[in-house]
Amino acid sequence: ETGVTQTPRHLVMGMTNKKSLKCEQHLGHNAMYWYKQSAKKPLELMFVYSLEERVENNSVPSRFSPECPNSSHLFLHLHTLQPEDSALYLCASSQDSLAGANTGELFFGEGSRLTVL
Amino acid sequence: GQNIDQPTEMTATEGAIVQINCTYQTSGFNGLFWYQQHAGEAPTFLSYNVLDGLEEKGRFSSFLSRSKGYSYLLLKELQMKDSASYLCARRDPPNSGYALNFGKGTSLLVTP
Repeated sequence: ETGVTQTPRHLVMGMTNKKSLKCEQHLGHNAMYWYKQSAKKPLELMFVYSLEERVENNSVPSRFSPECPNSSHLFLHLHTLQPEDSALYLCASSQDSLAGANTGELFFGEGSRLTVL
Repeated sequence: GQNIDQPTEMTATEGAIVQINCTYQTSGFNGLFWYQQHAGEAPTFLSYNVLDGLEEKGRFSSFLSRSKGYSYLLLKELQMKDSASYLCARRDPPNSGYALNFGKGTSLLVTP
């Protein structure tokens, strides 16, 4: 496995369900991110973890709950979602340091397409 | 996304040159990125600018003017496979975890 992998790729859930999205990075990075991508909108930053500590929470509703057990894994736990939460959820990782030639670019996974009924 | 503005759609002809512009809020600027995203796929990194000037990488070049809060992505010798969305992104200051804030993207259609 290389890069950033996300599972599941597609998820359909009811508003009362509880589910989780999983992200794993094999790049040795120390920062991980969750973004939401909806049609006609910019990529929206949801959560940032640097060295397994959450450093950013962009006023995301509590029905989204992130978890970062180690620097390689990131989860997004979903509970009592709304239909407007249907979107593509993208995970990304980066090396959280601008030393040397590192640009700090984000490497994205393929995303989890979520549909809330 | 933090006043990052880019055109919504552009159309260009195969073999031609196209320039996609991006303007952004200058306060707290810490780097400017361009990503390419094909439909149904992950965004992939194209270029990075932190100093003024032009960065060239094959058929793609990116320009930055920090004082004007302006960048452009230049695509030369367009190919059909260049049809995609092009995302301009500004990096946050370090106290926000080096996250990127994205514009809405420019959907480029390359026609024969």
